[in-house]
Amino acid sequence: RKEVEQDPGPFNVPEGATVAFNCTYSNSASQSFFWYRQDCRKEPKLLMSVYSSGNEDGRFTAQLNRASQYISLLIRDSKLSDSATYLCVVNPRSGGSYIPTFGRGTSLIVHP
Amino acid sequence: EPEVTQTPSHQVTQMGQEVILRCVPISNHLYFYWYRQILGQKVEFLVSFYNNEISEKSEIFDDQFSVERPDGSNFTLKIRSTKLEDSAMYFCASILGSSGYTFGSGTRLTVV
Repeated sequence: RKEVEQDPGPFNVPEGATVAFNCTYSNSASQSFFWYRQDCRKEPKLLMSVYSSGNEDGRFTAQLNRASQYISLLIRDSKLSDSATYLCVVNPRSGGSYIPTFGRGTSLIVHP
Repeated sequence: EPEVTQTPSHQVTQMGQEVILRCVPISNHLYFYWYRQILGQKVEFLVSFYNNEISEKSEIFDDQFSVERPDGSNFTLKIRSTKLEDSAMYFCASILGSSGYTFGSGTRLTVV
């Protein structure tokens, strides 16, 4: 089983739609979790951290399910500018250091 | 907002040549990383650096690669004898603690 798995998509949705992505991870000792956004040929940019209690930032909601070892990202009222690749990043602690592991990313295309 | 700065933005080199990729992490950050992303593929961990030494490295980070923090601010990745398959985007990232990673805008390395 891959360390961090994401459905590559693409998810093709109309403006205003609600879309959700999941990401599963294999290391049960994983410590911290993030969603990043990556535009084509650009660097990953932190979208939000994912906390055990779930967290929301405007139209974006992230949740963590430790029992099932997955995190999710929900985007409400999609905008054209949300079109990007969304990367799941999991931080399994290894010997006291942080080595974040990236998923392959889920591609989102929001169309008019 | 503090930034991670990478130079050059694009480097073209001949196979077998040495290249040095440069990064200036955020000044109060403690952990530094190099990642690479081959076009169309996932972001891959290369090496992490803490307290002026390598803390973790991946299988990709073989004897051809080395990192240095020569002057307390710059963080460099050297590839001694480049191969065609080293062509990729190379991202530097830094982190203070358990917060999200801040990535530089990357260096696109093209080996011809």
